[in-house]
Amino acid sequence: AQKVTQTQTSISVMEKTTVTMDCVYETQDSSYFLFWYKQTASGEIVFLIRQDSYKKENATVGHYSLNFQKPKSSIGLIITATQIEDSAVYFCAMRESTGYQNFYFGKGTSLTVIP
Amino acid sequence: GPKVLQIPSHQIIDMGQMVTLNCDPVSNHLYFYWYKQILGQQMEFLVNFYNGKVMEKSKLFKDQFSVERPDGSYFTLKIQPTALEDSAVYFCASSLDRGANQAPLFGEGTRLSVL
Repeated sequence: AQKVTQTQTSISVMEKTTVTMDCVYETQDSSYFLFWYKQTASGEIVFLIRQDSYKKENATVGHYSLNFQKPKSSIGLIITATQIEDSAVYFCAMRESTGYQNFYFGKGTSLTVIP
Repeated sequence: GPKVLQIPSHQIIDMGQMVTLNCDPVSNHLYFYWYKQILGQQMEFLVNFYNGKVMEKSKLFKDQFSVERPDGSYFTLKIQPTALEDSAVYFCASSLDRGANQAPLFGEGTRLSVL
């Protein structure tokens, strides 16, 4: 079963607007960690932001923020004031605290920022 | 900042041959991963490695696959013999330790083409 699901295959937005990318996850663990990465056109994979499951406050880093809705097992990525260079594929990932702490990725959402 | 280096960036080999993909993780990192990504698809977990041992492996980590990190040198993924379906980009990642809140750093990938 998919542990991390990203239903949006691709999104296009105008430059300088705000975009939200969805991600839902499945876990039985009481403690887990959620991550967003982006993969650029060159293939480089860059870590963006992390949310700890036990924290109620949504994480924010620069123009990235998260919308963490724990009861819905949802962790959306919000990018404000989008720039052309934000065009990339965005992956959501989850890591559980127990077991071997494997890292599960979603299938990714391709974001195109239009000038 | 610290980087995970992967050598080579592209490898072309004939089906049935052996191939070794090399990863030079961040120097003080202790936890290592290999992921496989077929073009345009999600990253799929292959294996993670800690303290000289495979901790967990997926169904994609066939018997023909092996990993090792002899004497703190490269973390390698060996495929012997290769099959056509092994063609993909292989990403290495490393993290400082086993802490579940660690965001692994990824290399830029090795594109493997099996002919």
